[in-house]
Amino acid sequence: QQPVQSPQAVILREGEDAVINCSSSKALYSVHWYRQKHGEAPVFLMILLKGGEQKGHEKISASFNEKKQQSSLYLTASQLSYSGTYFCGTEMGSNFGNEKLTFGTGTRLTIIP
Amino acid sequence: DAGITQSPRYKITETGRQVTLMCHQTWSHSYMFWYRQDLGHGLRLIYYSAAADITDKGEVPDGYVVSRSKTENFPLTLESATRSQTSVYFCASSDDRGGRTGELFFGEGSRLTVL
Repeated sequence: QQPVQSPQAVILREGEDAVINCSSSKALYSVHWYRQKHGEAPVFLMILLKGGEQKGHEKISASFNEKKQQSSLYLTASQLSYSGTYFCGTEMGSNFGNEKLTFGTGTRLTIIP
Repeated sequence: DAGITQSPRYKITETGRQVTLMCHQTWSHSYMFWYRQDLGHGLRLIYYSAAADITDKGEVPDGYVVSRSKTENFPLTLESATRSQTSVYFCASSDDRGGRTGELFFGEGSRLTVL
């Protein structure tokens, strides 16, 4: 089942912060985050496993709330290079060994100078 | 060079024709995937493979056929192309994390137009 992302699009000025949310109605094992620039392939950002962990990558971090089946991606002090479409992908908590990563429809982030 | 490559990068075909999109990876990753990307739908899984000779359907498998006789290759065939299959197709691979999906490495994509 496809996760729901919000917002669908956001425009920020350089240096501002952004939060992108991803939620599922099913119990999750993991949440994956990817960024895709226009005309390019998606690029991996991070994986969060159930357990409520928070991970970071420079000024991009994420959290995973297992109880709410939600994940949030935090971009602080945004840079022009952060522009792109962000996708979350989710793996269900059941049927171990036969899981498929299902992606949301994406959040388009535009950073303006 | 190491990596994952797709061919062709661009293809225009006509309704009813057979089309094969090729995917080759040099990492010996166990898992390989085919996604299609359409505006408003994000990335949707067509088929995936956990190992050579093991394939399984994803969310949108109808109209597509895959095979995986060798670990490094995962071709996707549209047996009789339809206009609704106009899309950008991404192949991806990942290592085996105990049956779970690891980091996906995507190819550059194949843009297919069906007239």
